[in-house]
Amino acid sequence: QMQLQESGPGLVKPSETLSLTCNVSGASVRSYYWTWIRQPPGKGLEWIGLINTSGGTHYNPSLNSRVTISIDSSKNHFYLKLTSVTAADSAIYYCARQNYYGPLYYMDVWGEGTAVTVSS
Amino acid sequence: EIVLTQSPGTVSLSPGESATLSCRASQSGSSSNLAWYQQKPGQAPRLLIYGASSRATGIPDRFSGSGSGTDFTLTISRLEPEDFAVYYCQQYGSTPPRIITFGQGTRLETK
Repeated sequence: QMQLQESGPGLVKPSETLSLTCNVSGASVRSYYWTWIRQPPGKGLEWIGLINTSGGTHYNPSLNSRVTISIDSSKNHFYLKLTSVTAADSAIYYCARQNYYGPLYYMDVWGEGTAVTVSS
Repeated sequence: EIVLTQSPGTVSLSPGESATLSCRASQSGSSSNLAWYQQKPGQAPRLLIYGASSRATGIPDRFSGSGSGTDFTLTISRLEPEDFAVYYCQQYGSTPPRIITFGQGTRLETK
């Protein structure tokens, strides 16, 4: 059974880089597409970006210049880096498997999420 | 960019009743381009419906999805206590910018 688990620092200083890891178990990270989504406290869901089986990436234009998603198949992990963070980047960050059905990309397996606060 | 508008913002119902949640897209596209998620407090979202009407694995048949074009509906019949949660709809852009977009959510609360 596939499981995802996010990890990373819970506190990041403004202007620094947020780095998160998603550990994938029960499946090869090279076999599927993967995505990051975040949810500010008390608010809705925001898609950050995805990485495909070839390592190609696609990011939300609202974050495009600050986001990097990558994969390490040797560790069966994928990663999120978000640079120049501000308080507006404080959120619960989820990693998820990206599946597709016709024109629809959707998320069918989710990690439990990790809370990140941006504060000095 | 597609905008998804969910209504109502909050709905108050009792166990045993039926709930009808709406999701309207700002652009018309494929009738299969919609997913629904359930999120309970402190938990990650859970996929309920994909392709507008296909139930995800393990989802009870009291959850059903329908719709096409710009108007989609999630119906929950015979509400159980565990169904009270926030529900989000989601699409993938069929035209640039091709991004994953969520609605703002509908809160289903106990009357």
